[in-house]
Amino acid sequence: DIQMTQSPSSLSASVGDRVTITCQASQDITNYLNWYQQRPGKAPKIVIFDASRLKTGVPSRFSGSGSGSHFTFTITSLQPEDIATYYCQQYDDLPYTFGQGTKLEIK
Amino acid sequence: QLQLQESGSGLVKPSQTLSLTCAVSNGSLSSGGYSWNWIRQLPGKGLEWIGYIYHSGSPYYNPSLKSRVTISVDRSKNHFSLKLNSLTAADTGLYFCARGDSSGEFDYWGQGTLVTVSS
Repeated sequence: DIQMTQSPSSLSASVGDRVTITCQASQDITNYLNWYQQRPGKAPKIVIFDASRLKTGVPSRFSGSGSGSHFTFTITSLQPEDIATYYCQQYDDLPYTFGQGTKLEIK
Repeated sequence: QLQLQESGSGLVKPSQTLSLTCAVSNGSLSSGGYSWNWIRQLPGKGLEWIGYIYHSGSPYYNPSLKSRVTISVDRSKNHFSLKLNSLTAADTGLYFCARGDSSGEFDYWGQGTLVTVSS
């Protein structure tokens, strides 16, 4: 299985801050990576697909970059509604696997 | 907008079998190009993909669960199902169904159903 390692596991930031989460794959996955946002008590919601493409309707403060085995997810100006746990997910190979998540909190 | 809704046994005894169904509404699971997935979230852990099935009936299971899992589809009822046998407390968690598109993206999810394995 392809292992996905996210860091940090938790993050506390202030409204307006720039926030960056990284995801490292155990092998080259090209750009076959998605990012999800999971708000408390809700199902995950796709935010970024194909490593860098913003899902329709998602605010432009969210972005993704990277290829190969190293990826980043950025929120340029943190808003209160961004409080959630964020997960990366690879779809280069089966079984699909997720990172362990990054819990984002407001400072 | 496509909607998915899980239903089934919320409390299951150890060694027994979990049975969940995911009803698809405002769309057809016979639509080509999509997979129908089960994903779970165990307490204190992240998301674990269980497996998928296509409307044609071809399933694929996570090797870590393959010996215990069966996913099936009922096109006439527009739903798909999960069976997980030989349950232990380690299987306690939140179970989601989700649609997967051709790029491996899970674009529609159910709300999730809590499964507790306890005697």
